[in-house]
Amino acid sequence: QSVLTQPPSVSGAPGQRVTISCAGSSSNIGAGYDVHWYQQLPETAPKVLIHSNSARPSGVPDRFSGSKSGTSASLAITGLQVEDEADYYCQSYDNSLSGVVFGGGTKLTVL
Amino acid sequence: QVQLQESGPGLVKPSQTLSLTCTVSGGSISHGDYYWTWIRQPPGKGLEWIGYIYHSGTIYYNPSLKSRPTISLETSKNQFSLKLSSVTAADTALYYCATYVDSGFFENWGQGTLVTVSS
Repeated sequence: QSVLTQPPSVSGAPGQRVTISCAGSSSNIGAGYDVHWYQQLPETAPKVLIHSNSARPSGVPDRFSGSKSGTSASLAITGLQVEDEADYYCQSYDNSLSGVVFGGGTKLTVL
Repeated sequence: QVQLQESGPGLVKPSQTLSLTCTVSGGSISHGDYYWTWIRQPPGKGLEWIGYIYHSGTIYYNPSLKSRPTISLETSKNQFSLKLSSVTAADTALYYCATYVDSGFFENWGQGTLVTVSS
C-alpha cells in the first residue's frame, strides 16, 4: 500500500486530455512538501516529467502540466499521443515516515 | 549531465547480502550537488526509495527496510554502493541508482540492474 494514492490506470484517445491524481495526507503533500512526477516508458528507467509541483524540465513538452492543492496533486496531459503510453509516478516527502515516498503508479493507455 | 551505471551480481541467494555499485561520470560524488541514491522496483510493481548519502557522509534510509541497507561512498573511484543484508525473494527487483537534488526530486537515473534472490 503506497503512501501516495494513484489510480492504477487511465486511458484516452489520441488528442484527448487526461489527468492522473495523486492523493496524500497531512504528513506529506498537505505538509507543504513538493510533488514530483516521473514518466517510465516500457523497459526504461523513470524520467522526471514535472518537478516542484508544476515545473517542467527542459525538453518536456508543454502538453504535460502539474498542479497541487491541499493534500493532493495532479498531472494533466493534453493532446495525447501514442508515445505517451507509459507508467506515471508521483513522489513527495513524508515527515512522519522521515523519507521519500512514491505513489503506486498509473498506467496510461492511449487507445 | 551526470551519468550513472549500476553493476553487481544478478543473482543472490536467500539470507545473503546483496551488493551493488553505481559508477558516476560527468560529476564528482565529492561535491555537494546531489544526494546519491538507491531506488528499487520489484517486477511489475512500483518504485521504492531505499536511501541516499550526501558527500559529507550523512545517510538517510527508508525506515521500512529496518537496518538492512548500507550505503557508502568510494570517492577515489567516483562510485557509491549499496549492501542489503538478509535478502529474501521479496528483495528481487530492478535496482536503480539516482541523484536526488535539494528541490526534492530524482534528477538523473541509471538504467537499472535486475537482482534476483533465489537459491
